[in-house]
Amino acid sequence: EVQLVQSGAEVKKSGESLKISCKGTGYTFSNYWIGWVRQVPGKGLEWMGIINPGDSDTRYSPAFQGQVTISADKSISTAYLQWNSLRASDRAVYFCARLGGDNVGRSFDPWGQGTLVTVFS
Amino acid sequence: SYELTQPPSVSVSPGQTARITCFGDALPKQYAYWYQQKPGQAPVVVIYKDTERPSGIPERFSGSSSGTIVTLTISGVRAEDEADYYCQSSDSSGDSLWVFGGGTKLTVL
Repeated sequence: EVQLVQSGAEVKKSGESLKISCKGTGYTFSNYWIGWVRQVPGKGLEWMGIINPGDSDTRYSPAFQGQVTISADKSISTAYLQWNSLRASDRAVYFCARLGGDNVGRSFDPWGQGTLVTVFS
Repeated sequence: SYELTQPPSVSVSPGQTARITCFGDALPKQYAYWYQQKPGQAPVVVIYKDTERPSGIPERFSGSSSGTIVTLTISGVRAEDEADYYCQSSDSSGDSLWVFGGGTKLTVL
């Protein structure tokens, strides 16, 4: 079974750094792009960026360029999303999702379970 | 920046047909995808490439496209279909940048 398993909830202070993870299992990790999506509580989905774990080619939404860094380590089938200096406005659930697969075209499927990031000042 | 526009809410009674639209300038050139998200859960794709239905998705879910508007149709709506629905597509630049619509809350009365 193809799965993406994300790291657990985080509680951080404003200004601190953070790196959350997304581990793929059940498929060849380097063969599929991994995207990251933000969801502020009670709000909609926002596409943040995407990485090709095979060669680390990375694309960012203009809204998130320079705000976060997306990376991957194909040797351990894991993608990452990191912040150098968190802000209160970063409080959200962050999802990772695989791009493409059998019978889903270039949609994002499956998704990880989400990581809740809470930032206090 | 590129935007996809959805109605904030749609309400239907059980057994009726729900239609959720998504407008975007690049939709004539780029495929659209639809996701269902229930409270506390991750999104699930219900339609891909405008009209295709993934395996395991009920036949009552269908998609259509006409110019700059794509539509998700749910026929014979059930209470379990109450959820948020998001369209997704990319702009026409070819830079592999994706965008989501603002989401539509489907309420089953």
